[in-house]
Amino acid sequence: AQSVAQPEDQVNVAEGNPLTVKCTYSVSGNPYLFWYVQYPNRGLQFLLKYITGDNLVKGSYGFEAEFNKSQTSFHLKKPSALVSDSALYFCAVRDGSYGKLTFGQGTILTVHP
Amino acid sequence: GAGVSQSPSNKVTEKGKDVELRCDPISGHTALYWYRQRLGQGLEFLIYFQGNSAPDKSGLPSDRFSAERTGESVSTLTIQRTQQEDSAVYLCASSKQSNTEAFFGQGTRLTVV
Repeated sequence: AQSVAQPEDQVNVAEGNPLTVKCTYSVSGNPYLFWYVQYPNRGLQFLLKYITGDNLVKGSYGFEAEFNKSQTSFHLKKPSALVSDSALYFCAVRDGSYGKLTFGQGTILTVHP
Repeated sequence: GAGVSQSPSNKVTEKGKDVELRCDPISGHTALYWYRQRLGQGLEFLIYFQGNSAPDKSGLPSDRFSAERTGESVSTLTIQRTQQEDSAVYLCASSKQSNTEAFFGQGTRLTVV
């Protein structure tokens, strides 16, 4: 069975500092990995994905994520955080090219001015 | 429409009543997903449709829950004999193919009183 873990319920960072939101996964086949962001009272928005190719993928709003097969991780990063990045972030995985998406429990990111 | 559309946006129902939630996916998207998000929690997978294949119903929590999809068009999620624990936001998403990112609707907020 596929699964995702986001070990931190909350991440706090000062504006201008780099941020990392952690995600680890478990699949039996090839992982298809995704990050989504949810702002208050709004739906989920797609940020970026890893399917194949370069381990470092870039996405919307200056976010990037690094796929690490040996550590089964897909951490979300941004070099310089903005207060407007404060939101709930979800990591998701699909085992191979077909089937359901499984989401982590989410990490609340708070960026302080 | 340009995005995934869900209706109604809010639904208040009495315990024991049946409710039907609707999802209109993005045109041309073959995959469709339903998730449940309880207050302050992550996304709980309910059901996944992919084209004309048999749906993955493994996430439906009880036989009170069912979902239908007509071809690659609209989907309805039905909850019979609603209970208070069914109160949540029900999210629908669609993707062009099963191996691409999913786009989410704004959700239906269901309150069972």
